[in-house]
Amino acid sequence: GAGVSQSPSNKVTEKGKDVELRCDPISGHTALYWYRQSLGQGLEFLIYFQGNSAPDKSGLPSDRFSAERTGGSVSTLTIQRTQQEDSAVYLCASTLHPGTGNYNEQFFGPGTRLTVL
Amino acid sequence: RKEVEQDPGPFNVPEGATVAFNCTYSNSASQSFFWYRQDCRKEPKLLMSVYSSGNEDGRFTAQLNRASQYISLLIRDSKLSDSATYLCVVNLPDYKLSFGAGTTVTVRA
Repeated sequence: GAGVSQSPSNKVTEKGKDVELRCDPISGHTALYWYRQSLGQGLEFLIYFQGNSAPDKSGLPSDRFSAERTGGSVSTLTIQRTQQEDSAVYLCASTLHPGTGNYNEQFFGPGTRLTVL
Repeated sequence: RKEVEQDPGPFNVPEGATVAFNCTYSNSASQSFFWYRQDCRKEPKLLMSVYSSGNEDGRFTAQLNRASQYISLLIRDSKLSDSATYLCVVNLPDYKLSFGAGTTVTVRA
């Protein structure tokens, strides 16, 4: 079956411009996560959706970052007025059974490589 | 203190060798533990879950020590294809996964 897909795969933008990153989770997966990974670094949690609601936005670096999810499926991460430090790979993951104590493997998309010039 | 800490390596080993590394986690309420594998410029993929009693999957053995709050991964008879970054992942009580920065393993011929 289809895995998690993300678009675009690469995005080069100029400082100050807005960008929109898209994630299509695996069909039926209720939870969706956004992470950021800078070169040589671990994954930095950004935001988590359960259905269409975001119970945990604690990882968003600033108010320039926002995300939404509609129909319990596709999610969009928007970065306004991009800065050079926003350059990173943005990864999306989805899982079928979120929750402590449950087997909740996260399936990752291939990521969007964002470069802010 | 980071929630999950790993030795970044790199661990550079010959084919056929055994390599082992640990990670430590800070939240004692963590309940689920995983090792993910990430190849260069690729997304992370689940390698194996880690169970309290320890578990094996082929050449890979994972162990959990709750008292000391560490998880280990051992790779036996290493292959060139095992070269990757191994991410230690801990499921926090609020449904969030916390990822370590990864341990890089390079297996040489």
